[in-house]
Amino acid sequence: AQTVTQSQPEMSVQEAETVTLSCTYDTSESNYYLFWYKQPPSRQMILVIRQEAYKQQNATENRFSVNFQKAAKSFSLKISDSQLGDTAMYFCAFGVSGYALNFGKGTSLLVTP
Amino acid sequence: SQTIHQWPATLVQPVGSPLSLECTVEGTSNPNLYWYRQAAGRGLQLLFYSVGIGQISSEVPQNLSASRPQDRQFILSSKKLLLSDSGFYLCAWDWGTTYNEQFFGPGTRLTVL
Repeated sequence: AQTVTQSQPEMSVQEAETVTLSCTYDTSESNYYLFWYKQPPSRQMILVIRQEAYKQQNATENRFSVNFQKAAKSFSLKISDSQLGDTAMYFCAFGVSGYALNFGKGTSLLVTP
Repeated sequence: SQTIHQWPATLVQPVGSPLSLECTVEGTSNPNLYWYRQAAGRGLQLLFYSVGIGQISSEVPQNLSASRPQDRQFILSSKKLLLSDSGFYLCAWDWGTTYNEQFFGPGTRLTVL
């Protein structure tokens, strides 16, 4: 069974600063996908970024980037130039084709002025 | 484009009453459909998933059931609600192919009194 661990229940960052959210996972699969989802106070789940395990290059989406370390089974999210609208719960998720996603317990990020 | 709807958005029900939450997807066919519950604003717990009409897999034995009477309709039900059924219920879908990014509905907040 795959497990996803987010070791930081809460984090805080000042506006315009950079913050990194951690995620580790455990799997015996070789082909899989990793995702970061954002859940703002509205509670709508929004995909932030995705990473295919077979790709060595780290994914980037504007201010969001990941550090994917396959051997270490680590998938951290870096948010640059943090904005107040980045305040949300962030969930790391692991997926294998044909199966439901496995989610971590989430990290609550607060961006302060 | 694809959209996913859930209703109602908010529901307050007494203990012992029945429940019916509905989820529909537009703009795609034969999606995989999922029901998640999120308690206390934390992680997502997978309740049910469906790969086709009438095909339901249960992840957690409990007071709830799910049905898929049509290709793009997924219903979560209970005959008698318990206090512990309170939570935020999310419906999601994916393409059911190798790329299993999930798309989430807006959710239903259920309070059982």
